[in-house]
Amino acid sequence: DTGVSQNPRHKITKRGQNVTFRCDPISEHNRLYWYRQTLGQGPEFLTYFQNEAQLEKSRLLSDRFSAERPKGSFSTLEIQRTEQGDSAMYLCASSLEQGGKNGYTFGSGTRLTVV
Amino acid sequence: AQRVTQPEKLLSVFKGAPVELKCNYSYSGSPELFWYVQYSRQRLQLLLRHISRESIKGFTADLNKGETSFHLKKPFAQEEDSAMYYCAPPYNNAGNMLTFGGGTRLMVKP
Repeated sequence: DTGVSQNPRHKITKRGQNVTFRCDPISEHNRLYWYRQTLGQGPEFLTYFQNEAQLEKSRLLSDRFSAERPKGSFSTLEIQRTEQGDSAMYLCASSLEQGGKNGYTFGSGTRLTVV
Repeated sequence: AQRVTQPEKLLSVFKGAPVELKCNYSYSGSPELFWYVQYSRQRLQLLLRHISRESIKGFTADLNKGETSFHLKKPFAQEEDSAMYYCAPPYNNAGNMLTFGGGTRLMVKP
């Protein structure tokens, strides 16, 4: 297991298109998190899964955003009808303990550019 | 969501000087706080947890509940400490996720 893997690394899309990102967490981690990071800011929480259940969503997650973790393993984050404001780094993290007591393990992120 | 403030966007010191990266949070419960670090071209990674009271790479952080602060300190900065540092308290009272401050860029000059 090489850690948390995110694909693609970079995505350039035209405004109005749909995009989907994938995250493969560490296999024994049952908790998975999505964050968004814009330039000069810290990561902002989007959503959290425990196994396949999506337990928390932030207000940042508008109805254009949807996340799934169908079998409690990998997760996808889809953005429909992308807007320029969606341009950001999308980070995935996983952990074994509640709240990441032993720390989150982060992926390298997917950088989205909406043109 | 809880609020976390890192007042300094950039902190520049000379090698061997003491470093203190400030973090203030708003959290009504008994928090578990973390510091994360991101070195150039690397992933965000855990630096230390307050609950373990450990020193990692010479860094320590003391939780001051009265001042709701969790400042990160190192007595003698090294050039390899140059990185982005993020303070991370719980996102809400449920404590299932973390929220991150805006980060402080530490630059250690030779």
